[in-house]
Amino acid sequence: EVQLVESGGGLVQPGRSLRLSCAASGFTFDDYGMYWVRQAPGKGLEWVSGITWNSAGVDYADSVRGRFTIARDNAKNSLYLQMNTLTTEDTALYYCVKGGDTYGLDAFDVWGQGTMVTVSS
Amino acid sequence: SYVLTQPPSVSVAPGQTATITCGGDNIGRKSVHWYQQRPGQAPVLVVYDDSDRPSGIPERISGSNSGNTAILTISRVEAGDEADYYCHLWDISSHHALFGGGTKLTVL
Repeated sequence: EVQLVESGGGLVQPGRSLRLSCAASGFTFDDYGMYWVRQAPGKGLEWVSGITWNSAGVDYADSVRGRFTIARDNAKNSLYLQMNTLTTEDTALYYCVKGGDTYGLDAFDVWGQGTMVTVSS
Repeated sequence: SYVLTQPPSVSVAPGQTATITCGGDNIGRKSVHWYQQRPGQAPVLVVYDDSDRPSGIPERISGSNSGNTAILTISRVEAGDEADYYCHLWDISSHHALFGGGTKLTVL
């Protein structure tokens, strides 16, 4: 069974950091680009970041560029999101998402259940 | 920047057909994907590349894309179709994904 399981969310103060992890299973992890998508409470979906299968390409939404860093460890079938200088605007459910065969073109065909990040003093 | 416009809500009676639109400048030239998000659940891909369905998605869910509007059509609507629906495409030049604002489908 194809599965993505996020962890690392929690309550954090503004200006602090948090690192999210995503454990993948059931598919050949290093064949696919991976992404983070977030959803603020009661709001729509927002793409956050993406990384190619070999980490050669990374992309960020304007709202997080310079503060967030995406990374992957193919040996561990894991995806990460390092989030620095967090603001209340970053409060959201963060989904780990699998892409298709072509990075930056295909649909998001597998979603995790998400990990909640709450930024509050 | 490119904007995807969806109606906030669509209501339909059981057994009828729901039509959810996603508007964008020359969207017909782009590949559009659609996701269903039931309350409290993660999104699920229901249509990719304008009109293809992943395995397990019923044939009564279909998609089309032409001109300035992509359309998700759900025929013979059931109570279980009540959900938020999002369109998605890629800005290929920047490798940025874009989502529509979402449409809440209510089954009357």
